[in-house]
Amino acid sequence: RKEVEQDPGPFNVPEGATVAFNCTYSNSASQSFFWYRQDCRKEPKLLMSVYSSGNEDGRFTAQLNRASQYISLLIRDSKLSDSATYLCVVNIPGNQFYFGTGTSLTVIP
Amino acid sequence: ETGVTQSPTHLIKTRGQQVTLRCSSQSGHNTVSWYQQALGQGPQFIFQYYREEENGRGNFPPRFSGLQFPNYSSELNVNALELDDSALYLCASSLGGGLAGFQETQYFGPGTRLLVL
Repeated sequence: RKEVEQDPGPFNVPEGATVAFNCTYSNSASQSFFWYRQDCRKEPKLLMSVYSSGNEDGRFTAQLNRASQYISLLIRDSKLSDSATYLCVVNIPGNQFYFGTGTSLTVIP
Repeated sequence: ETGVTQSPTHLIKTRGQQVTLRCSSQSGHNTVSWYQQALGQGPQFIFQYYREEENGRGNFPPRFSGLQFPNYSSELNVNALELDDSALYLCASSLGGGLAGFQETQYFGPGTRLLVL
């Protein structure tokens, strides 16, 4: 079983739409969680950390549900520039970081 | 820009050869993690170095090894290269060594693209 499971998509949405990505993790002792964004042939870049209380950064909202072992990312009012691959990341005991396979998003004019 | 640099940017090797990839961490960071990213996949954690010691390792064979230097830069060495080692190798710089409960953010370098023929 993979440490992190993520729907690869692709998600194709029109500009202005709201889109949500989910990611599940298998290790209940996982201790920190992140969303990264990766553009084609570029390195991953931190989008936001994910906290139990949920956190918001402009159009982006991240949630963590420890009981169900999933994290989510909500993007409101999608822009063309949001087109990218979104990667969820989990840090498990023993200090190992596990990435999902990434979810591809294309925002269409 | 993250301030994390990697060299070389591209590399072509043949099966059985050895390769060394290099990473300079962001100023003030004491931790470097290495990842392998195959085409269409997420990055796979190879290992992490914190203050010159290995501080966590993923599911990679011993022919993947590393070093961290006193200035916190790092090397990834891969021996006996196989075709499946062809990938983008990313290093990520952070501060904290993954201490329990510490919400550690990693900053990635641009990567080295390795092709094994």
